[in-house]
Amino acid sequence: QVHLVESGGGVVQPGRSLRLSCSASGFTFSRHGMHWVRQAPGKGLEWVAIIWFDGTTKYYGDSLEGRFTISRDNSKDKLYLQMNSLRADDTAVYFCARDIGITGMHPDYWGRGTLVIVSS
Amino acid sequence: EIVLTQSPDFQSVTPKERVTITCRASQSIGNNLHWYQQKPDQSPKLLIKFSSQSFSGVPSRFSGSGSGTDFTLTINSLEAEDAATYYCHQSHSFPWTFGQGTKVEIK
Repeated sequence: QVHLVESGGGVVQPGRSLRLSCSASGFTFSRHGMHWVRQAPGKGLEWVAIIWFDGTTKYYGDSLEGRFTISRDNSKDKLYLQMNSLRADDTAVYFCARDIGITGMHPDYWGRGTLVIVSS
Repeated sequence: EIVLTQSPDFQSVTPKERVTITCRASQSIGNNLHWYQQKPDQSPKLLIKFSSQSFSGVPSRFSGSGSGTDFTLTINSLEAEDAATYYCHQSHSFPWTFGQGTKVEIK
């Protein structure tokens, strides 16, 4: 079955960078778009980014102001999120999610998430 | 950005009651509206896709309807395991967005 495991979270100082990873298994990774969605403590879901199945097209949430970059390595079945110039309001659980289609339709399966805390 | 507004924010319901959650979009999104369930300390799970299509394995008591700007998630005969927060999500135009969530509590 679809299995998504996020890693790379932790405590990071404001202004620093962090790269999250998502390992996929149980499906043909290269045939699905992939998402990052985040959830601040006690808050709702915020869509972060999507990347097409082949990595050629990416879209981002408005609030990120160009600080985050989504990428993928289909040879390794991995999804990444490079986060730069981190701020306190980036503190959240970051989920990776599979898109039901090859481009953008909507997420279907989600990982358990990795917690990022931005604090000095 | 398309804003999704859910109502109510919170609902306390007895088992076997019917629950109705609405989601209103700030502009027309066709049927590109999906519903997710999130239980405490778990990741979201897809319930309904494209307004009214049930996702695989989802109990038949969950149903969705609507198009354009107004959508509804209905839970018929609520069960204790349905205690969760429910989110609507639009994939009509980027940036994709979620509603603020509706928490359903079991009395």
